[in-house]
Amino acid sequence: KQEVTQIPAALSVPEGENLVLNCSFTDSAIYNLQWFRQDPGKGLTSLLLIQSSQREQTSERLNASLDKSSGRSTLYIAASQPGDSATYLCAVDTDKLIFGTGTRLQVFP
Amino acid sequence: KAGVTQTPRYLIKTRGQQVTLSCSPISGHRSVSWYQQTPGQGLQFLFEYFSETQRNKGNFPGRFSGRQFSNSRSEMNVSTLELGDSALYLCASSSGQALLLIQETQYFGPGTRLLVL
Repeated sequence: KQEVTQIPAALSVPEGENLVLNCSFTDSAIYNLQWFRQDPGKGLTSLLLIQSSQREQTSERLNASLDKSSGRSTLYIAASQPGDSATYLCAVDTDKLIFGTGTRLQVFP
Repeated sequence: KAGVTQTPRYLIKTRGQQVTLSCSPISGHRSVSWYQQTPGQGLQFLFEYFSETQRNKGNFPGRFSGRQFSNSRSEMNVSTLELGDSALYLCASSSGQALLLIQETQYFGPGTRLLVL
């Protein structure tokens, strides 16, 4: 059974710091991986989708890497801003999305 | 382009009642999937509909059911509500061109928050 864990569970940093959020999964036989952010009281917003044949994806200040063999993905956020405050979720697997436990990020001015 | 909409946004029910939630996907999207989010279990996949047919199903009891209409709008029904059904219910839509949800970007609605008393 696929299990997805995210570390740390919560993170509080000052504005401007570079951050790394971690996602690990137990079954490396995944197809792809997605990173989402969830703002309080709102739905999820897709940030990056990494195809199984790719090792990383980049969008603006975000960079996500995928290492299937070790069962890990990282989301790198450069020059964090207060607007980045949200819960970040990774999701893996095949016919259905299996979500991680989430990392609650707070960026203070 | 309008996003995914869900109605109602908030709902209060009592144990034993049933509830129907609605999801309207992004125009042109044919796949709609449903998720339950609770503090204890996190986000869990309920089911996915594509072209009015259930394509995938998660590990939830039969009290949870859904359907999709010809215009791709979807409804989710929960019968005989239990306290543990209190959760945020999210739906997501995608084009459905890929066989696997994970292969294309999922667009989520704001969710329906259900409280069972």
